[in-house]
Amino acid sequence: GENVEQHPSTLSVQEGDSAVIKCTYSDSASNYFPWYKQELGKRPQLIIDIRSNVGEKKDQRIAVTLNKTAKHFSLHITETQPEDSAVYFCAHSGGYQKVTFGTGTKLQVIP
Amino acid sequence: GAGVSQTPSNKVTEKGKYVELRCDPISGHTALYWYRQSLGQGPEFLIYFQGTGAADDSGLPNDRFFAVRPEGSVSTLKIQRTERGDSAVYLCASSPGQGTYEQYFGPGTRLTVT
Repeated sequence: GENVEQHPSTLSVQEGDSAVIKCTYSDSASNYFPWYKQELGKRPQLIIDIRSNVGEKKDQRIAVTLNKTAKHFSLHITETQPEDSAVYFCAHSGGYQKVTFGTGTKLQVIP
Repeated sequence: GAGVSQTPSNKVTEKGKYVELRCDPISGHTALYWYRQSLGQGPEFLIYFQGTGAADDSGLPNDRFFAVRPEGSVSTLKIQRTERGDSAVYLCASSPGQGTYEQYFGPGTRLTVT
């Protein structure tokens, strides 16, 4: 199947703390794993992605890890700021194909 | 450069009517995708174009939905005999292709069927 499970569905953290969102997928053919941030009423925005030949990728305060054997991947946000508050979606695809999205995590960063 | 654009931004229509939603991808992007997003959920795949042809239309819910991309750029999503359950935000995304998988989304069209 192509489903992807994402948790938690909601997450509240104090400003400056870290936030971790985890996803599990089932399609062995998936080789591309993007993460999107969506603010209320706005379009999904690609924030980071990782391909299956890489185990970890970091971009400033954001990092993603991938365990292809276990079929799970995670988003880590360090030193959270109020502007990080949004809904985050994990996703996966076979590359040029359709992207299957998770159910979303609503992150609230409390000042 | 200009991002993905979609028109209209909002569309209200009566049950049973026909609607067309337009997507202008980023210039030069060969791949174009349509998704549908209901409130509180993630985007759900509808159809994917590579150039002018539909490479994967497995996400179209039924034969009331159809999409075209006649010149390999602009795409139109067409919905016949609209139903209240079609109400959602319809998102378009484009991707460069050629070894790049990133998809960039447009602002969406909010469709409301009354």
